[in-house]
Amino acid sequence: AQKVTQAQTEISVVEKEDVTLDCVYETRDTTYYLFWYKQPPSGELVFLIRRNSFDEQNEISGRYSWNFQKSTSSFNFTITASQVVDSAVYFCALSEAGPRSGGYQKVTFGIGTKLQVIP
Amino acid sequence: DVKVTQSSRYLVKRTGEKVFLECVQDMDHENMFWYRQDPGLGLRLIYFSYDVKMKEKGDIPEGYSVSREKKERFSLILESASTNQTSMYLCASSLSGNSYNEQFFGPGTRLTVL
Repeated sequence: AQKVTQAQTEISVVEKEDVTLDCVYETRDTTYYLFWYKQPPSGELVFLIRRNSFDEQNEISGRYSWNFQKSTSSFNFTITASQVVDSAVYFCALSEAGPRSGGYQKVTFGIGTKLQVIP
Repeated sequence: DVKVTQSSRYLVKRTGEKVFLECVQDMDHENMFWYRQDPGLGLRLIYFSYDVKMKEKGDIPEGYSVSREKKERFSLILESASTNQTSMYLCASSLSGNSYNEQFFGPGTRLTVL
């Protein structure tokens, strides 16, 4: 069974600090996809990034970076020089590429990490 | 841009009422989903649909039903609302059921059952 653990339920940082959100996953599949989503106070989850299990290259997008390490089953998300607009709940998610149920490949979400950036 | 809209942002209902939550997506996506989000529990899948009139149960379908008569519209129905169904309900869609497809979410409906 697939599982996603986000051990940090809430984090508070002061603006301009760097912050890392942890994500640890469990899966028996060798092919899978990992995702990060952002849920701002408005409520709508927004897709940030997808990474497949064969691509361990780290990714950087502006102030955001992602560190995927298969050896530790982790897919951590770092925000550099945090800003108030980064305040949100962040979800890590896992989708396996194995046999589907009906027309859908199940996605498992972590419980989310609430990030508060204090001005 | 994909847009997923939900009929209400906030809804207050009484115990025993029948409740309809509507969701519409405008990008011809095959798959649509209903989740509920509760503190400390994250997102839990209630039902999903992979085609018109096709549906499958998610992790917590009890007390809910769904309807998908048109590709763009997916409705969640609470036949007889109960207080333990007070929650945030999120609708989502994805292009297809492939595991690499990201999901696009609506803004959510915060339902309170009194």
